[in-house]
Amino acid sequence: DGGITQSPKYLFRKEGQNVTLSCEQNLNHDAMYWYRQDPGQGLRLIYYSQIVNDFQKGDIAEGYSVSREKKESFPLTVTSAQKNPTAFYLCASSIRDRGTDTQYFGPGTRLTVL
Amino acid sequence: GIQVEQSPPDLILQEGANSTLRCNFSDSVNNLQWFHQNPWGQLINLFYIPSGTKQNGRLSATTVATERYSLLYISSSQTTDSGVYFCAGGGFKTIFGAGTRLFVKA
Repeated sequence: DGGITQSPKYLFRKEGQNVTLSCEQNLNHDAMYWYRQDPGQGLRLIYYSQIVNDFQKGDIAEGYSVSREKKESFPLTVTSAQKNPTAFYLCASSIRDRGTDTQYFGPGTRLTVL
Repeated sequence: GIQVEQSPPDLILQEGANSTLRCNFSDSVNNLQWFHQNPWGQLINLFYIPSGTKQNGRLSATTVATERYSLLYISSSQTTDSGVYFCAGGGFKTIFGAGTRLFVKA
């Protein structure tokens, strides 16, 4: 089945540790995105990548890092520099198809810092 | 940057009722989309609608780009329509609204 997978579904980490969230898509989409969602809030863009080996900061990139070595994969690392990392993290991808740019989302990873 | 305002913030409906959700943008946007987030957190794209009107079953959406707003209509609501509805726009640097939380009572 085509889609976007994120792992793990739930993640717990101790303060001061880095952690990497996985995002994989087999939709052959060029663009991929990482968002953060806090309880009762909308989504905020962390990073996006339009093409392999290229990525751009979103509105809240501080304390996060990404890589885009393969078209299918866009992992997000939450570093110890991120002050409030506990949140719901969502990955998305999109393709410009006949003038549309619809984003498709993965199921998300809930990160809790203990 | 662009501001996105959604109204109402919360909505409770009796099953079978109709509703209209609104999304206002502070500036013109492209790539305007509507999403539904279910209680488990999954976001589903409902419409890609930078302008005009589209319909999909009981849902329809209208965007008036020149006046910087979009409307989502839900007719004959069902309990499975419950969740949070988001509008978003802005191209690659997508901006999301805070959402409308909908609860449909049986």
